[in-house]
Amino acid sequence: KAGVTQTPRYLIKTRGQQVTLSCSPISGHRSVSWYQQTPGQGLQFLFEYFSETQRNKGNFPGRFSGRQFSNSRSEMNVSTLELGDSALYLCASSPPDGADTQYFGPGTRLTVL
Amino acid sequence: AQSVTQLDSQVPVFEEAPVELRCNYSSSVSVYLFWYVQYPNQGLQLLLKYLSGSTLVKGINGFEAEFNKSQTSFHLRKPSVHISDTAEYFCAVSEAGGSYIPTFGRGTSLIVHP
Repeated sequence: KAGVTQTPRYLIKTRGQQVTLSCSPISGHRSVSWYQQTPGQGLQFLFEYFSETQRNKGNFPGRFSGRQFSNSRSEMNVSTLELGDSALYLCASSPPDGADTQYFGPGTRLTVL
Repeated sequence: AQSVTQLDSQVPVFEEAPVELRCNYSSSVSVYLFWYVQYPNQGLQLLLKYLSGSTLVKGINGFEAEFNKSQTSFHLRKPSVHISDTAEYFCAVSEAGGSYIPTFGRGTSLIVHP
């Protein structure tokens, strides 16, 4: 079974631009979560989607948004990028019968200049 | 709300020596506990998890952890490390039967020297 895939793997943007990151969960997984990882703040939860609905949300500004499609693929969007948005963005999916366990993708490294 | 403290930011050790990575948590409810490993330029991989039952949990790559409720700890151990174990290790906690969204510790960098 293929693992969680994230595209692109690396991205360079400038301040003020917007960006969209994509995540394809493991086949059969319906829950997708997003995390931001930085050296200063560590791993922080952004949001979780289940069956196309946002089920949980972390403490991030409204510039961070996401959505999930009917095939469980998810996208995350960050508008009006700031330098502090530079981070590794990780996506994780969970199976229906093991929602306690998350399977992570390799991440998208976003650099904001 | 839960919180996790990983007491050591960096742990250097020689190859074939034993290692313990410490993790303490805080929660007012029952919890699930996890250890993840992150190799350079990769995502997180689950090493082991405690949901209920036996307090000694065995995971992949020869790692094990013991849940100690009275001390609110979940320390990770390996009796003999390899160079390939060099990585970042994250302890995480989530509310049992809750949203399953884990709270992560800041990570411990395990550095194995030859």
